Amino acid sequence: SAVISQKPSRDICQRGTSLTIQCQVDSQVTMMFWYRQQPGQSLTLIATANQGSEATYESGFVIDKFPISRPNLTFSTLTVSNMSPEDSSIYLCSVGAVGETQYFGPGTRLLVL
Amino acid sequence: GENVEQHPSTLSVQEGDSAVIKCTYSDSASNYFPWYKQELGKGPQLIIDIRSNVGEKKDQRIAVTLNKTAKHFSLHITETQPEDSAVYFCAASIIKGYGNKLVFGAGTILRVKS
Repeated sequence: SAVISQKPSRDICQRGTSLTIQCQVDSQVTMMFWYRQQPGQSLTLIATANQGSEATYESGFVIDKFPISRPNLTFSTLTVSNMSPEDSSIYLCSVGAVGETQYFGPGTRLLVL
Repeated sequence: GENVEQHPSTLSVQEGDSAVIKCTYSDSASNYFPWYKQELGKGPQLIIDIRSNVGEKKDQRIAVTLNKTAKHFSLHITETQPEDSAVYFCAASIIKGYGNKLVFGAGTILRVKS
């Protein structure tokens, strides 16, 4: 399976600011995904990061709040914009080919004050 | 859209006993069912998965069963050990035009008491 790293591993931010989370994979992958895991909750898909095109967002998530970049087949970023305390969550990236297993990174733990 | 229900929300077992976690999915087009284990401070780790053309799969102490007719799938852990204590998530996957989307259950906190 691919080795996935995320930066930062955790951060504490002030409301109204933005944070960019990086996801790096050690091999080229077709699909990269971004999930949110609110405290004590399950995982919810934010968007699918497509290389060379705009990300595909799930219902309830918008590009203005969660802009995503996917400049190549091994890297993606998720920005959490204009943060509020409700954005305090674990943000996870995952990788996987179409119809295949998804593997997750270690997550970025975000606390917004 | 797809919905996945997972039970129980918490499960306490004695070391050496078996643990069973059950999930139900709503979309009959779902064709792939992974199980993930998440330890504190870590990302989810795939522990076993099953595809819709298979009824059962086993890997040492872990097994998964699938009943497509009833839209049920279950995780079975035998001879539980303290290191099995974690949160377990089931998921169901349906292939969309842009890729496969995983929908997760709410999670089960498993505590193995020694």
